[in-house]
Amino acid sequence: GESVGLHLPTLSVQEGDNSIINCAYSNSASDYFIWYKQESGKGPQFIIDIRSNMDKRQGQRVTVLLNKTVKHLSLQIAATQPGDSAVYFCAETLSGGYNKLIFGAGTRLAVHP
Amino acid sequence: KAGVTQTPRYLIKTRGQQVTLSCSPISGHRSVSWYQQTPGQGLQFLFEYFSETQRNKGNFPGRFSGRQFSNSRSEMNVSTLELGDSALYLCASSLEGYGGTNEKLFFGSGTQLSVL
Repeated sequence: GESVGLHLPTLSVQEGDNSIINCAYSNSASDYFIWYKQESGKGPQFIIDIRSNMDKRQGQRVTVLLNKTVKHLSLQIAATQPGDSAVYFCAETLSGGYNKLIFGAGTRLAVHP
Repeated sequence: KAGVTQTPRYLIKTRGQQVTLSCSPISGHRSVSWYQQTPGQGLQFLFEYFSETQRNKGNFPGRFSGRQFSNSRSEMNVSTLELGDSALYLCASSLEGYGGTNEKLFFGSGTQLSVL
């Protein structure tokens, strides 16, 4: 049941390494950014978010960095595990925009034992 | 607490037919959004409903429509199906739909529509 793109850029990492997934966003007015993880046959799952008045936010094993100057987001995953294998999407929106998210194309993360 | 529930999980239709997809949001969530996911176009916003009113709409033709009921459950309809409508249709819910860190958006597993 997966309709995720078959030709997404792929990041291959070894188990235990750190992963960095990058994303360029499109609208300089966007003020809220989210990273989602999508596994095969499932909908996107929230990972971490950040508002535009911050440049870094940390969660459990994940960190999001925001560079508004160059409209760039990154997701860092520490000690990557096989269960992290999935497609990762960044999304941008305007607060008050009634959940109209603009999604990036996605990056496939493949974790090898 | 149950997540966002979408039915049916899979659907096969032929060109020209119409289809209705159903979504039950997380209990207490009043905002329901719909997204289309295809390999070529990725995830694209269709529309958002709150309190039975459409508040925002994406760039899709009028063949795509939706509605929300008083219990916040939502349906979307696609009329006169085209081959290009084959996609995973995702429903998402949040409390009030205003975005931001207090308003996380939760997605269902989607309905995979195949148009033959």
